[in-house]
Amino acid sequence: DAMVIQNPRYQVTQFGKPVTLSCSQTLNHNVMYWYQQKSSQAPKLLFHYYDKDFNNEADTPDNFQSRRPNTSFCFLDIRSPGLGDAAMYLCATSRGPWDTEQYFGPGTRLTVT
Amino acid sequence: AQRVTQPEKLLSVFKGAPVELKCNYSYSGSPELFWYVQYSRQRLQLLLRHISRESIKGFTADLNKGETSFHLKKPFAQEEDSAMYYCALKRDDKIIFGKGTRLHILP
Repeated sequence: DAMVIQNPRYQVTQFGKPVTLSCSQTLNHNVMYWYQQKSSQAPKLLFHYYDKDFNNEADTPDNFQSRRPNTSFCFLDIRSPGLGDAAMYLCATSRGPWDTEQYFGPGTRLTVT
Repeated sequence: AQRVTQPEKLLSVFKGAPVELKCNYSYSGSPELFWYVQYSRQRLQLLLRHISRESIKGFTADLNKGETSFHLKKPFAQEEDSAMYYCALKRDDKIIFGKGTRLHILP
């Protein structure tokens, strides 16, 4: 009954080698979010989609991009991963930007070698 | 700037003892505050929100605007309460999380 699914759960990539993380949802929610969480840190919002409307956080590096080809799927692309991009990446959804509850996926742990 | 502060990284409490997880916030408007929880090997999920004034799994949290606090409390800790707890603030269409407090219930 998984509602927000993230694949893969663990991803290892090389320094500078592009990587894509995947998120899908069965909730038919309008909003999808990507967070980055480093060890002992708060989840940090990178960007979110409200339907097809992309909203980037001001301090999200250009190295991070996102795609949402349809309601169910959202991708996080890291064009040239650096060692500092190693983190847990969390995908979340909500019915709308007004909704106070977000539904999280299990996360993808990214390692950069 | 809007901010959520959880001063304790780790809190260890004996089973049956009271629990209080501290959260302070800074926000210029009327805040909407929440507690999210992440149990071992599970995803982050909403525990409770201040607007609902609800008790979930025995936990309550009261918004104190004078002290800008939203502490999470439970009168008697249970072993299954061991988890990571995040205090969060809703700003516009985003949620701002604190760094989290790991609650460890001792047998």
